[in-house]
Amino acid sequence: GQNIDQPTEMTATEGAIVQINCTYQTSGFNGLFWYQQHAGEAPTFLSYNVLDGLEEKGRFSSFLSRSKGYSYLLLKELQMKDSASYLCAGMDSNYQLIWGAGTKLIIKP
Amino acid sequence: IAGITQAPTSQILAAGRRMTLRCTQDMRHNAMYWYRQDLGLGLRLIHYSNTAGTTGKGEVPDGYSVSRANTDDFPLTLASAVPSQTSVYFCATSKGAPDTQYFGPGTRLTVL
Repeated sequence: GQNIDQPTEMTATEGAIVQINCTYQTSGFNGLFWYQQHAGEAPTFLSYNVLDGLEEKGRFSSFLSRSKGYSYLLLKELQMKDSASYLCAGMDSNYQLIWGAGTKLIIKP
Repeated sequence: IAGITQAPTSQILAAGRRMTLRCTQDMRHNAMYWYRQDLGLGLRLIHYSNTAGTTGKGEVPDGYSVSRANTDDFPLTLASAVPSQTSVYFCATSKGAPDTQYFGPGTRLTVL
């Protein structure tokens, strides 16, 4: 079956670094997406990885290991506005996204 | 301003009623999608359309229908609403099938 696993909730301190992990099992693989979703709003695209390695985009970085079925999203210099849910999604062989339930990130001052 | 609009923003509906959720885009994207989002679950794909004139079933299509008469519009119809269809519904678009998906603001639907 197809499955995406990520922690339900994480807490971090303003100014710190946090890593949100995601493991995936999809029928075929066409990349791994990360989205940010603030409460009551739509998901917004953060990153896409299809090759192994780290992709850096400002304070946010995303890593992929295809052999391990594993990805993480790294957020640096945390700000209060980073409090949101972070959604991991794997793209399967039919180019459909399989979504995790999301990780709620709580930032404390 | 390019984007995706959804209507209505929210709706309370009696069980058994018919309801159409509207989604319109001006991004000239080929592919469009309907998802539902429920607490504790990931987004689940209801129906999709890779290009105007074609549609396909997603993970949870039962009780829903769609049409794609043109590039811009992708309405989702609940023929006879049931309480289990209470959810937040998101429309999304992408340039092509394997591309990044962009989401509309969502419709919060409550079926009583």
